[in-house]
Amino acid sequence: AQSVTQPDIHITVSEGASLELRCNYSYGATPYLFWYVQSPGQGLQLLLKYFSGDTLVQGIKGFEAEFKRSQSSFNLRKPSVHWSDAAEYFCAVAPSGTYKYIFGTGTRLKVLA
Amino acid sequence: DGGITQSPKYLFRKEGQNVTLSCEQNLNHDAMYWYRQDPGQGLRLIYYSQIVNDFQKGDIAEGYSVSREKKESFPLTVTSAQKNPTAFYLCASSIGGASKNIQYFGAGTRLSVL
Repeated sequence: AQSVTQPDIHITVSEGASLELRCNYSYGATPYLFWYVQSPGQGLQLLLKYFSGDTLVQGIKGFEAEFKRSQSSFNLRKPSVHWSDAAEYFCAVAPSGTYKYIFGTGTRLKVLA
Repeated sequence: DGGITQSPKYLFRKEGQNVTLSCEQNLNHDAMYWYRQDPGQGLRLIYYSQIVNDFQKGDIAEGYSVSREKKESFPLTVTSAQKNPTAFYLCASSIGGASKNIQYFGAGTRLSVL
């Protein structure tokens, strides 16, 4: 069955430190890949997406993600975290040719001042 | 401003009552979706609609119903058959077509049981 794993439920980093959030997926072919961010009590905002081509993808708010086919991973990174980045982050996978997204269970990021 | 509007923001259901959550979009998107979000479980798909007057069950459709009479509207009814309705409900839409399908989300409705 197709699945998405975000192994870290909570992550705490200091402001200004670098960040990497992990995402692994299980799917036979290369799917479409997404990262979304959710502030408390709000909807999801798209950070970035990967469809094909360059495996390093740039997104909004200074985030980037790298698709590694050999590891079935799509990890999200930011070189310097700001206090406003504290939120929950969701990785999602959409098998190509379908409407349906499969979401990971999310990683909650806390930023220390 | 184009976007997805969900209402109400908070909703309370009494035992045995049906309640309806509203979702309206002005993005001219063909496809619309309803998700349920529970702590630690991510988002789970309830129903989705690819086109007006057509919809399909998602992974957890039991106890829910939808309609799609207009392109811009996709209301979700939580019926009395849904025994554990307390959750955060998110509506999304996408331009449609299975290729490069980006979903955009509303701000959500939090449903609680009285």
